[in-house]
Amino acid sequence: EAGVTQFPSHSVIEKGQTVTLRCDPISGHDNLYWYRRVMGKEIKFLLHFVKESKQDESGMPNNRFLAERTGGTYSTLKVQPAELEDSGVYFCASSRGTPTNEKLFFGSGTQLSVL
Amino acid sequence: AQSVTQLDSQVPVFEEAPVELRCNYSSSVSVYLFWYVQYPNQGLQLLLKYLSGSTLVESINGFEAEFNKSQTSFHLRKPSVHISDTAEYFCAVSDTGGFKTIFGAGTRLFVKA
Repeated sequence: EAGVTQFPSHSVIEKGQTVTLRCDPISGHDNLYWYRRVMGKEIKFLLHFVKESKQDESGMPNNRFLAERTGGTYSTLKVQPAELEDSGVYFCASSRGTPTNEKLFFGSGTQLSVL
Repeated sequence: AQSVTQLDSQVPVFEEAPVELRCNYSSSVSVYLFWYVQYPNQGLQLLLKYLSGSTLVESINGFEAEFNKSQTSFHLRKPSVHISDTAEYFCAVSDTGGFKTIFGAGTRLFVKA
């Protein structure tokens, strides 16, 4: 069974540019999550999809961040325009059900550096 | 609001020595508690979890954690570590039935020969 895959693994962009991160969850997992870790601090929740619907986007920092999950399969997270403070590791995770009853599977993350 | 505090950012230890990684949480409701591990260049993996019942939970590779409600702690322990345990460990909490998992800042465990 393929795991959660994220593309790219690293991205270096300049302030003001646009970057799109992609996440392919495990097949059959309706729940997809985005998390971010900045500068070795805690891993912070960004948002949660159930299939193609945003269930909870309370962690999205501001309107420069746009997440989509077309057709309830893969998801993209776009940052436009990127700012210096957006640098960090962006993790995607997926699960069949709630993380308490079903395991949460994580991708390896995308390291984003905004210069 | 829920939060998780991992008291040590780095823990160096010699191989075959015991280790404890500390975690405290705050929550006004009943919680579920987790430890995740991240090996270099990999995603986070669930190590163990506490949902209910026995306060001592164990993983398949010798780690254990004890839920202490009065001290709001969920410390992770292993009696004898191996070089291969070198990784970053994250304590996490979620409320009952919740989809949002709150993570701590992580503890880097370095096991030295």
